Amino acid sequence: GESVGLHLPTLSVQEGDNSIINCAYSNSASDYFIWYKQESGKGPQFIIDIRSNMDKRQGQRVTVLLNKTVKHLSLQIAATQPGDSAVYFCAEKRGSARQLTFGSGTQLTVLP
Amino acid sequence: EAQVTQNPRYLITVTGKKLTVTCSQNMNHEYMSWYRQDPGLGLRQIYYSMNVEVTDKGDVPEGYKVSRKEKRNFPLILESPSPNQTSLYFCASRDRDSMNTEAFFGQGTRLTVV
Repeated sequence: GESVGLHLPTLSVQEGDNSIINCAYSNSASDYFIWYKQESGKGPQFIIDIRSNMDKRQGQRVTVLLNKTVKHLSLQIAATQPGDSAVYFCAEKRGSARQLTFGSGTQLTVLP
Repeated sequence: EAQVTQNPRYLITVTGKKLTVTCSQNMNHEYMSWYRQDPGLGLRQIYYSMNVEVTDKGDVPEGYKVSRKEKRNFPLILESPSPNQTSLYFCASRDRDSMNTEAFFGQGTRLTVV
């Protein structure tokens, strides 16, 4: 069935290293993607988004890459910091659908 | 400050006792929705509302009701809560003018039904 999923449920990185969190989607009609960060005890917070007519978008220390050929989305965090420790979700909007569909999340742990 | 406010943050209740979780947003957003978050399942949409008096079912609506009498408020109602509704609930809002926009989330309501 259709799904938005993540390759790994957990990811540990050393402080200062770059992090890459991956997400696969199965619906070719998806035209908008968002990455959210959820810290413990808080609601999801928007990080960055990308539309399907783009391959790459950069924010502050974050980059999202979209590969429509293999239906793959990734979030890259440069110089990972302890404050980046959180669960990261990708979400997609499928064409004319009004809903956002979320993946199950990846727990990022930054090691000192 | 733009925000989505949920109340209560924590709630423990007994099976069958009706409860309401309130949600309010101050961004004049037309689109509001409720999600539940369970381990390993991510965020699943319960109900959403495109505007005042317009509501529709999401992916997991069973056992829930909502109402949208005012633009800023979107309460979630559990008429007869059951233990399988123990979960973490999030309200979210989006600007409908551009549906390709991020959702703003509340801080969450942790509900336990015993």
